[in-house]
Amino acid sequence: DADVTQTPRNRITKTGKRIMLECSQTKGHDRMYWYRQDPGLGLRLIYYSFDVKDINKGEISDGYSVSRQAQAKFSLSLESAIPNQTALYFCATSEAGIWREQYFGPGTRLTVT
Amino acid sequence: DQQVKQNSPSLSVQEGRISILNCDYTNSMFDYFLWYKKYPAEGPTFLISISSIKDKNEDGRFTVFLNKSAKHLSLHIVPSQPGDSAVYFCAARKTAGANNLFFGTGTRLTVIP
Repeated sequence: DADVTQTPRNRITKTGKRIMLECSQTKGHDRMYWYRQDPGLGLRLIYYSFDVKDINKGEISDGYSVSRQAQAKFSLSLESAIPNQTALYFCATSEAGIWREQYFGPGTRLTVT
Repeated sequence: DQQVKQNSPSLSVQEGRISILNCDYTNSMFDYFLWYKKYPAEGPTFLISISSIKDKNEDGRFTVFLNKSAKHLSLHIVPSQPGDSAVYFCAARKTAGANNLFFGTGTRLTVIP
């Protein structure tokens, strides 16, 4: 079984709709992250959480919100989706303390029409 | 403003030869650099890293070189294998307390059998 899972894997939605992307992990890591990938721009950080009570904005948080329901679950919400939020979204986790690498989920491809 | 740049969007190499992927950065506050590999429909996976206090790190067929004065790092793969065909992302972390990564735009490596 995958250590970091994301649901759904693909989603098409209309402008103005609310949508939630979910991430679960079995790695036991405290830290979780949400990134988006756009063509020609690489991955950019949206939000990150160091533990259940610690949520931080990343580079491009406008238009997004997050919820850390438990150590293992971190959800990303688009309250009112717009077409320029069409992208590939990745969840990632890492250990606390000595920081090394982040472990990524398989991604969610979101299309806003 | 792209702080981590990969100026070559693609690279083709014959099997058995050396692959060299390049990355430039602009922020002197970066203290840790990583390379991730990404296959289609999967999340990025960690490949190799280097601290800013070193100039070389080697792991099997993969070697990362860091030139701090030039703000440049490179990934060498020797010998290249068809299974190395993927998109490679360079990433960097800022010093002290920050745990989010800044990613380059990626280089698609194709190893020709």
